[in-house]
Amino acid sequence: ETGVTQSPTHLIKTRGQQVTLRCSSQSGHNTVSWYQQALGQGPQFIFQYYREEENGRGNFPPRFSGLQFPNYSSELNVNALELDDSALYLCASSWDRGHYGYTFGSGTRLTVV
Amino acid sequence: KNEVEQSPQNLTAQEGEFITINCSYSVGISALHWLQQHPGGGIVSLFMLSSGKKKHGRLIATINIQEKHSSLHITASHPRDSAVYICAPLNTDKLIFGTGTRLQVFP
Repeated sequence: ETGVTQSPTHLIKTRGQQVTLRCSSQSGHNTVSWYQQALGQGPQFIFQYYREEENGRGNFPPRFSGLQFPNYSSELNVNALELDDSALYLCASSWDRGHYGYTFGSGTRLTVV
Repeated sequence: KNEVEQSPQNLTAQEGEFITINCSYSVGISALHWLQQHPGGGIVSLFMLSSGKKKHGRLIATINIQEKHSSLHITASHPRDSAVYICAPLNTDKLIFGTGTRLQVFP
């Protein structure tokens, strides 16, 4: 059984650019949640996808968007990058919206300059 | 006031000591997770519990739903236990993370 894989592991972008982060969920999982973790802070919930539909969203602007594919992998897209978007982006997969536990990826560290 | 409060924020211990990390939350939950995060950023799930007590090796987690409080205990701490420990209640399908407790165990 494979774990959760995130790509890329590190990324540097310029303010105003767009970025796509990817997450492959653990085999058998149908839910993917995305979190943003700023330096020294706890992770903040961005949104969750369950069976290809958005199932809840945190307090993030519309320029943060996502997708979940039929194989339950997921993408996080951020448009018009701002310096404050620099953070570790974590993906966690689960079965049935997290009610049976989560498996986390190692994260993508995004730096916006 | 944060929905999830952890204490202490930082903890230093000598190898072999008994460690306790506390978590209080103000929201309704269906379960609560204890997570471990190492400096590289990866997060490992230690426990998910909704009542009572769970034990895994040297780690013990307890929860009191009525009191909205949970504790993580580490018996016979070891330097490899050094990490950030995060309490994360599950509220309406989403995890709400505490800010974490940074634990350093010295030999």
